[in-house]
Amino acid sequence: NAGVTQTPKFRILKIGQSMTLQCTQDMNHNYMYWYRQDPGMGLKLIYYSVGAGITDKGEVPNGYNVSRSTTEDFPLRLELAAPSQTSVYFCASSYSQGYEQFFGPGTRLTVL
Amino acid sequence: LAKTTQPISMDSYEGQEVNITCSHNNIATNDYITWYQQFPSQGPRFIIQGYKTKVTNEVASLFIPADRKSSTLSLPRVSLSDTAVYYCLVGVGISGGYNKLIFGAGTRLAVHP
Repeated sequence: NAGVTQTPKFRILKIGQSMTLQCTQDMNHNYMYWYRQDPGMGLKLIYYSVGAGITDKGEVPNGYNVSRSTTEDFPLRLELAAPSQTSVYFCASSYSQGYEQFFGPGTRLTVL
Repeated sequence: LAKTTQPISMDSYEGQEVNITCSHNNIATNDYITWYQQFPSQGPRFIIQGYKTKVTNEVASLFIPADRKSSTLSLPRVSLSDTAVYYCLVGVGISGGYNKLIFGAGTRLAVHP
């Protein structure tokens, strides 16, 4: 049971480039989340999904897009990278709302 | 939205009991109180969750007074490995509202030898 896995672990982007952060969970969880964490700060919710085909915005969705075509995968897309998107990105999943969230190891993204 | 307030940092020594209090004056009737722990360069890890009174598991206890406007995470006999950031969350319960899920800055606990 790998839990929540994220790729890549590290990435450097140039301003204006695009990329997709991958997230996969093998716990058959319905709920999945994307957070970002800036240095010394708490986590902020970007997007979340309550099941395949259903996504919704969190606190800081601007500049990001998501899709949920399967229960296992919840990729996060950055279309036009900006320095303000330099952060550590965490993916998480839970069985349902109110249940424990399991987090991945994170992706450290730098936009120069 | 139930905003939470917790101390920015705390210091303790090995073997001591640590109590971290979180204030959440606007907690909703259906909201649960959840605590997570985060080590450097790792994702947060669930510690404990409760609704009212007291909850205890193998790593911590959670005390919630009757008015539920605050809660206290208690870590018995801390060790150096308990040095981490601790987050108090409110609003993750049955009422939903996931677009308002906010971790806040957390409490940085430093355990000294």
